Amino acid sequence: QITLKESGPPLVKPTQTLTLTCTFSGFSLSTSGVGVNWIRQPPGKALEWLALIYWDDDKRYRPSLKNRLSITKDTSKDQVVLTLTDMDPVDTATYYCAHSKSSSSFAFDFWGQGTVVTVSS
Amino acid sequence: DIQLTQSPSSLSASVGDRVTITCRASQSIIRDLNWYQQKPGKAPKLLIYGTSSLQSGMPSRFSGSGSGTDFTLTISSLQPEDFATYYCQQSFLTPRTFGQGTKVEIQ
Repeated sequence: QITLKESGPPLVKPTQTLTLTCTFSGFSLSTSGVGVNWIRQPPGKALEWLALIYWDDDKRYRPSLKNRLSITKDTSKDQVVLTLTDMDPVDTATYYCAHSKSSSSFAFDFWGQGTVVTVSS
Repeated sequence: DIQLTQSPSSLSASVGDRVTITCRASQSIIRDLNWYQQKPGKAPKLLIYGTSSLQSGMPSRFSGSGSGTDFTLTISSLQPEDFATYYCQQSFLTPRTFGQGTKVEIQ
């Protein structure tokens, strides 16, 4: 079965760079039609999509954060890494990674449990 | 970006009620509309993808309909475990976008 798990620091200081790792199993990110997404949710607020990396290494970003975001994949390790630079307290959120595939309309069909990131000095 | 507007933002209902949540897109998204259920402290779960396809393992009391810009999620008979927040999301274009959520509470 497909599982995903996020890992990263729970606390970062303003201006620092956040690096989050999504480690997955049950699928390969070299399979045609597959993608891994990052989504976040500030406390008490709605879900916000951040980035997507496809099986062919095509990458898409949230336009308002494009200058600060980077997404990469390591197919040999079954991992996807998200970096977000110049962290600010408004970036405090639960960060999720999620699987998507073309045969399910690229919906987010499997999610990690989420990792809470707080930005504070 | 494609904006998604859900209505209502919240509703109170009783067990057994039929509940309808709507999602309107700022432009046509054909049928690339998905619905999620989220309970407090948990990751969202996919309920419906591609407007009307029920995700494996989800109860058949959940159904979706619509096309173009107007979509609906229906719960045919609300159960105690259905009290949660529901989000619509479009996968027609990037950036992917979500609605603001509809909180379903116990009346």
